[in-house]
Amino acid sequence: GAGVSQSPSNKVTEKGKDVELRCDPISGHTALYWYRQSLGQGLEFLIYFQGNSAPDKSGLPSDRFSAERTGGSVSTLTIQRTQQEDSAVYLCASSLVTSGGGETQYFGPGTRLLVL
Amino acid sequence: GQQVMQIPQYQHVQEGEDFTTYCNSSTTLSNIQWYKQRPGGHPVFLIQLVKSGEVKKQKRLTFQFGEAKKNSSLHITATQTTDVGTYFCAPQGDYGGSQGNLIFGKGTKLSVKP
Repeated sequence: GAGVSQSPSNKVTEKGKDVELRCDPISGHTALYWYRQSLGQGLEFLIYFQGNSAPDKSGLPSDRFSAERTGGSVSTLTIQRTQQEDSAVYLCASSLVTSGGGETQYFGPGTRLLVL
Repeated sequence: GQQVMQIPQYQHVQEGEDFTTYCNSSTTLSNIQWYKQRPGGHPVFLIQLVKSGEVKKQKRLTFQFGEAKKNSSLHITATQTTDVGTYFCAPQGDYGGSQGNLIFGKGTKLSVKP
């Protein structure tokens, strides 16, 4: 079946503009994650959605960042008033949560954001 | 809070040499996952370790989970150029955060010289 998809694959924007990044998780996966990866760096956790529970927003770096997940499926990460330091690859992952924990995360190809 | 250290940060090897990356946690883990990210690609799941002292093998890759469930290692025997990439450990434990929220290490970037 289809994997995790993200759009756009690349985004170039001007400093101060808002951007929206989209993630389509694997069908049936209840958990959805957003990460940020700067060039050559590790994965920085941003936000986690699990079913109907309140999202874990503990990784969002500032109030310019927000995310929604509509209908338990598609998610949108919004960055307002973008700054140059927001330039990175934004990765989305989904997983099927079970009671045993330790669910495998399936990553999308990422959105490469460049803020000029 | 949870501290995850992955070493080394970089490793350059000659093709055919062995390679090992280590992941150390400051607290006991419930499980640990390993991912590989090829250059320009996205992380791909390799394996999950759950039991204390567990050892799993995938062809030339050997994964170990420490007896105290605080550390793990990934060993590659006789590296090939196809092994190039960054290897991330992702421990999971009771951090007080959301279950399922993996904390990724910074990764070990492996380069292989043919």
